[in-house]
Amino acid sequence: QVRLAEFGGGVVQPGESPRLLCSASGVTFGSYGMHWVRQAPGKGLEWVALISYDGSDKYYADSVKGRFTISRDNSKNTLYLQMDSLRPEDTAFYYCAKDWGHCSGGNCSHFEYWGQGTLVTVA
Amino acid sequence: SVLTQPPSASGTPGQWVTMSCSGSASNIGTNSVSWYQQLPGTAPRLLIYRNNQRPSGVPDRFSGSKTGTSASLAIGGLRSEDEGDYYCAVWDDSLSGVVFGGGAKLTVL
Repeated sequence: QVRLAEFGGGVVQPGESPRLLCSASGVTFGSYGMHWVRQAPGKGLEWVALISYDGSDKYYADSVKGRFTISRDNSKNTLYLQMDSLRPEDTAFYYCAKDWGHCSGGNCSHFEYWGQGTLVTVA
Repeated sequence: SVLTQPPSASGTPGQWVTMSCSGSASNIGTNSVSWYQQLPGTAPRLLIYRNNQRPSGVPDRFSGSKTGTSASLAIGGLRSEDEGDYYCAVWDDSLSGVVFGGGAKLTVL
């Protein structure tokens, strides 16, 4: 059974730089692209970033480009999101999600499995 | 949102309901669409991928389709437990990223 679990959320001050982690189990982690998706309280889903199966390709939403960095350690079955220069509008639940494919070259948008999310509050 | 979804839909138990998702040539017109269900207080769940494919465990009363730059999700035999938010998503070649629709809130009357 595939399980994704996010860690690292909490209350942070503007300008701080927390790092989120997503631990995966029950899946060949190193074979699939992985995403971060966020959802502000009471709002819709917003895609944040994508990393290909081997970490060679990375894509970001314009709203976080230059401030957030996605990375992965396939030896640890772990996905990361380094969040720099946080703003109040970054307050949201952050979900990690496994894609259906390897996502080399992009064009990946099938979020097969999702974690339960971790709340980041910038205040 | 880059993808346009009517914000709400409703139906009575047992009815069919359809939700639309309108995009452009750089997203729906070129790439495959997925649909997600988010029940209150839970994480989203994949309902449809590659426009019309259902993952194992998703009932066949959920179906998807795509024509040109628009996609649709249909739910048949509506149940009270279907109440929640529904989102479409697709890769956008111009943005080099994923775009979501604004979401549609389904109410079962």
